[in-house]
Amino acid sequence: QQQVKQSPQSLIVQKGGISIINCAYENTAFDYFPWYQQFPGKGPALLIAIRPDVSEKKEGRFTISFNKSAKQFSLHIMDSQPGDSATYFCAASSTGNQFYFGTGTSLTVIP
Amino acid sequence: GAVVSQHPSRVICKSGTSVKIECRSLDFQATTMFWYRQFPKQSLMLMATSNEGSKATYEQGVEKDKFLINHASLTLSTLTVTSAHPEDSSFYICSARRPSGDGELFFGEGSRLTVL
Repeated sequence: QQQVKQSPQSLIVQKGGISIINCAYENTAFDYFPWYQQFPGKGPALLIAIRPDVSEKKEGRFTISFNKSAKQFSLHIMDSQPGDSATYFCAASSTGNQFYFGTGTSLTVIP
Repeated sequence: GAVVSQHPSRVICKSGTSVKIECRSLDFQATTMFWYRQFPKQSLMLMATSNEGSKATYEQGVEKDKFLINHASLTLSTLTVTSAHPEDSSFYICSARRPSGDGELFFGEGSRLTVL
């Protein structure tokens, strides 16, 4: 059973636009929700993360929105750039336990 | 700089030989490290959890005799693919979880294994 469901599978956005990737989870014990960015041939890099005690976290052009009641969280990339073209994974974990990853979203930002 | 270092980044070997991949936690002591396998355009598949000083915990369907994991120190875990076959060709990635603070998970750069 997929612990974390991610959508869309792929996304094409115009340069300067907003990219939005969504994730949903079922396990209410999860208390840490990171997003990772992965370029081809490289390991995933931690982008931004949030805990359920806040509804939003912003770091530069990247924002996580978190809806605890709906058990959903999303990544917003503002002013998307061609260099943002990569695969993005959401994840969830509870303290001391393994991480569960979404299936990934391939983002293409068109110049 | 890198928090987790993985080596080698690419390795090509002949069928039947063994290959060792090293994963080092550079920024903190990691009692737990994870090994993943990733197929093209797919998500990360957890293979095993490496525990310092004890046996690794393997996920269902992962052959522990084929994928030997050793976590001899708090900063080093190794994955040895024994008697490699072409179907073992894949992208292997290790990770380490920070033991304090938010417990962030950091990944190595990955190792591309090609078995001829």
